Amino acid sequence: GENVEQHPSTLSVQEGDSAVIKCTYSDSASNYFPWYKQELGKRPQLIIDIRSNVGEKKDQRIAVTLNKTAKHFSLHITETQPEDSAVYFCAAIWNRDDKIIFGKGTRLHILP
Amino acid sequence: DTGVSQNPRHKITKRGQNVTFRCDPISEHNRLYWYRQTLGQGPEFLTYFQNEAQLEKSRLLSDRFSAERPKGSFSTLEIQRTEQGDSAMYLCASSPVGGASNYGYTFGSGTRLTVV
Repeated sequence: GENVEQHPSTLSVQEGDSAVIKCTYSDSASNYFPWYKQELGKRPQLIIDIRSNVGEKKDQRIAVTLNKTAKHFSLHITETQPEDSAVYFCAAIWNRDDKIIFGKGTRLHILP
Repeated sequence: DTGVSQNPRHKITKRGQNVTFRCDPISEHNRLYWYRQTLGQGPEFLTYFQNEAQLEKSRLLSDRFSAERPKGSFSTLEIQRTEQGDSAMYLCASSPVGGASNYGYTFGSGTRLTVV
C-alpha cells in the first residue's frame, strides 16, 4: 500500500556538521518527492523537492538525492545552523490519487 | 490573498459535541486537501477536493467526519460526536491546477482540536 518510511526519528548533530535523513517509498510509480520543515507550533513548509527524472538537486546548504531503482531518497543539510532545528518530513506523491503521503518525521537538534 | 487560512486556530470541546473547521485556500488553487497530524507523527491524509468535487476519502475518515467544498472555494470539515482520539492538529493544504505532483502543497497554520 501507500507508505513512506523515514529514519532516524531523532537526530542530533553538532553545529556546523552535516545531517542526513533517509526515506524509502513503496509505490514505484511515484515521481515527485517533496521535503517539508515544521518548526514547533507552525505549519509544514516546503523546503525542497525532487522529481524522478533527476538524481540530485541542491539549494544552498540543502540537497536531495533520489535512487528510483532502490526507491530511496535522502535529505542532506550541510554546515548546520541553530535555525535548522525542526522536524523534517519526507513525502511522496501517489500519482493515481494525486495526494502526498508523508513519513513520520525526523526531529533534528542542532547542538551548540 | 497571502496563503491558506484556517479557522479557528484552536478549539477545545467536550466529548460528544460537534465541531466545524474552515479552510480558505489560495484563491487560484482548485485542489484542497485535509490532513490530520497527531503529536510526533507526520500529516495523515483525510480527504481532498478538486473544485467542489470530493475525489477521495481516507479510511481514517469515519462516518463522524464530513467535509464539504460547496462552491469550490472554502471548505469545511465537521466532526460529529467528538471523541478524545480526535484530538489533533487538522491541516488544510491547497495546490494549483496541475496538482500536487507539479507544485507541492501550501499548508495552512492548522486548527488544533482538544477534546476533553
